[in-house]
Parts: sequence; structure tokens; C-alpha cells
Amino acid sequence: KAGVTQTPRYLIKTRGQQVTLSCSPISGHRSVSWYQQTPGQGLQFLFEYFSETQRNKGNFPGRFSGRQFSNSRSEMNVSTLELGDSALYLCASSRQGADNEKLFFGSGTQLSVL
Amino acid sequence: DAKTTQPNSMESNEEEPVHLPCNHSTISGTDYIHWYRQLPSQGPEYVIHGLTSNVNNRMASLAIAEDRKSSTLILHRATLRDAAVYYCILRVSGTSYGKLTFGQGTILTVHP
Repeated sequence: KAGVTQTPRYLIKTRGQQVTLSCSPISGHRSVSWYQQTPGQGLQFLFEYFSETQRNKGNFPGRFSGRQFSNSRSEMNVSTLELGDSALYLCASSRQGADNEKLFFGSGTQLSVL
Repeated sequence: DAKTTQPNSMESNEEEPVHLPCNHSTISGTDYIHWYRQLPSQGPEYVIHGLTSNVNNRMASLAIAEDRKSSTLILHRATLRDAAVYYCILRVSGTSYGKLTFGQGTILTVHP
């Protein structure tokens, strides 16, 4: 069974640009969550999608957005990139996103903003 | 979000048991206790979770205090591959869709 797949693995952008990251969940998983990891702030929850609807959201500005497709694949978008957006972006999937389920994480996309 | 407190770091020798503590004094009756670990250059990996009773799986054991205000992750025989950051996380019942609230975790060093 394939794991959570994130593409691309590495990305370099400049300030002001926008970026789209992709996540393919484990087959059968309908909940996809996104996280940002930085050395200073650690791992922080961005948002969660289930059945193409955002069901949960963290404390990030509106520049961070996402969507989920009917096949459960998800994308997140960051507009007007800032230097502080440089981070490892991780995607996780689970069947329903319930609190007694385990989450499966991908290896992440390392974003560098210059 | 419910808070957890873990030691910043712990050390162990290979093939010895490791007990990683976690305090969660504000836990609610329906909050699940989850443990994840993160190896260098990888995404977090699920280890174990429980509600009230002690739990065992192939990776580890989870011992939950009777009052649920603390728990301990037990690695029965540490290996070098167990060197990672271990996170103790509370998932609030009914509201934490897809959400894990990570603290600073415990950095586990395993000596050969």
C-alpha cells in the first residue's frame, strides 16, 4: 500500500511569488491535513479537508489556502510569499480524521523563499 | 488545546528499556493520548495511542495513569533507529479533525 506522497520534494521561490504544493493520501483515506514545520515554531497545524470541504483550520493568515479534490488528493497554496514562509510543509492523511485515528505523514515539501 | 509537558531530552543505551514521561493534568475525560515520533529528515510517524487502558503494539507500550493526568511511552529495547523526537499529544474529542497539536517533544538519544 503506497504511503502519503508529496510533490515536489524541494522548491525555491522568491518573495511575492505564489506556490502550490500537492499531496496524495493513502488510498481510502478521505481526511487530509497540512502542517508547517519551522525550527522556531515547530510543527503547526494549517488546515484539514474531508470530502472536499475544509473542516478544521489553524491560526494562519489567509495567504495560506487549500483544496481537496473528489479523489481526496489535496493541494495547498501560499500566495505573496514571505521569507518567513520558508519551512517544511507536511501533509498527513487518515480515514476519517477522527481523534482516535492515527495520521500518516508524507516526507514533506521543503520550501525556501529567497 | 489541552497541554502536555515532556522533558526536553533523554538518553538511553542500546537494548535497554526507555520510559518517556508525559504530563497532561488538564486532560478531559474523552481526550485521546497519542504519541508520534519524528526521525531526522522525515515526517512524523505514529507510535501508539490510548484512552484509559494501557496499550501495546509492536513498536511500544503506553502506560496511562489511573487519573489520566500522566502517561509513559515505553520502548522495551531501544535501538539506534529509535533516536528521534517523541511527541505526546492530546486529541480533543470531537473537535480535532485531522489536527495534532505538537509541543517541543522529547529528544531521545540512543548510545551504542
